[in-house]
Amino acid sequence: QVQLQESGPGLVKPSETLSLTCAVSGYSISSGFDWGWIRQPPGKGLEWIGSIHHSGSTYYNPSLKSRVTISIDTSKNQFSLKLSSVTAADTAVYYCAWYKSAFDYWGQGTRVTVSS
Amino acid sequence: EIVLTQSPGTLSLSPGERATLSCRASQSISSSYLAWYQQKPGQAPRLLIFGASSRATGIPDRFSGSGSGTDFTLTISRLEPEDFAVYYCQQYGSSPLYTFGQGTKLEIK
Repeated sequence: QVQLQESGPGLVKPSETLSLTCAVSGYSISSGFDWGWIRQPPGKGLEWIGSIHHSGSTYYNPSLKSRVTISIDTSKNQFSLKLSSVTAADTAVYYCAWYKSAFDYWGQGTRVTVSS
Repeated sequence: EIVLTQSPGTLSLSPGERATLSCRASQSISSSYLAWYQQKPGQAPRLLIFGASSRATGIPDRFSGSGSGTDFTLTISRLEPEDFAVYYCQQYGSSPLYTFGQGTKLEIK
């Protein structure tokens, strides 16, 4: 069974960089498919942030592209998200997920609040 | 940029009834890349349907998906109490690479 677990600070100051990590168990991240980040602001819907292929190729939502970096660490079987210059609008629950036939597996989500 | 529009925004039904949820794309998409998710409060979304009509592992057969081109439907044949949740459609392939609909809330009447 594939399991994903997000980790990172729950509070980030405005203008700083949000950094999250997704640890994967039950499947080797280098074996295939895409690994993605999705967020959900309070009371709102789902927004895809970006994804990374197991080969290292990245794909970002054009609306966030200038601020997003996703990377992969196959030695630790994890992938990471960095979102720079955050504002209150970036407050959300952040999910990592594995895209095989769709977003088949999701982490439980981690709540990130942007506030001074 | 592709936009997925779900309707209705809220659907009020009773257990035992049939639910029909719609997802319309602003341009034609491949059926292979249309999925549906269920999300309950405080939980991550759960994959229900992929490839427009294939049920994910462990999903009851009262859930079914259909459609092609720009119009897709999720049908729940006979609502159980645990089915009341928010449902999202999602596409893969058109810019942005992944897009979600805004969601349909299925509530108990």
